[in-house]
Amino acid sequence: GIQVEQSPPDLILQEGANSTLRCNFSDSVNNLQWFHQNPWGQLINLFYIPSGTKQNGRLSATTVATERYSLLYISSSQTTDSGVYFCAVARAAGNKLTFGGGTRVLVKP
Amino acid sequence: EPEVTQTPSHQVTQMGQEVILRCVPISNHLYFYWYRQILGQKVEFLVSFYNNEISEKSEIFDDQFSVERPDGSNFTLKIRSTKLEDSAMYFCASRGGQISLSRYTFGSGTRLTVV
Repeated sequence: GIQVEQSPPDLILQEGANSTLRCNFSDSVNNLQWFHQNPWGQLINLFYIPSGTKQNGRLSATTVATERYSLLYISSSQTTDSGVYFCAVARAAGNKLTFGGGTRVLVKP
Repeated sequence: EPEVTQTPSHQVTQMGQEVILRCVPISNHLYFYWYRQILGQKVEFLVSFYNNEISEKSEIFDDQFSVERPDGSNFTLKIRSTKLEDSAMYFCASRGGQISLSRYTFGSGTRLTVV
């Protein structure tokens, strides 16, 4: 099956700092989503971004489908940004969403 | 924005007992899924469901697991005889239409603890 790798596995930031999270995938995909898992365990959808660039407030994401990677940018980080960020992809041939291992982000005040 | 609703949010059960986790997908969605996440680990696919039948299942989804869409709105996951290792967060998800045109929407999860 498709492999999804996220880096870095852990990230510690000072409040106000910027960061970039990366997601690499091993095959072509027709669906890519970024999620934030909050301290209560809920998966909050951040972006549905199979290709191109999107922005939502301090967060933005870019997917380069031809090169099989996606990037999530966090600018001016806040303590509420802490949590685990997951990238998940799906191919056309199979419709299940495959998750990466996540990046655990801790933003310190 | 439409939501996927899961109940209960927490469930504690004795080992060997049957549990049913319930989900109400978004009303016009066609594809339904269950995932699980053992504490501290990645989110794993269990099963997908389309047109009233299982379309794909993982190795985790053995004979102890079953899914059902009994009334056209609810989507349930049953674990017949729970084991300690079934303790996890279980997520329901749904999506509509072609895979390239729709995102997956996840519920808030049910945290299952088997004691």
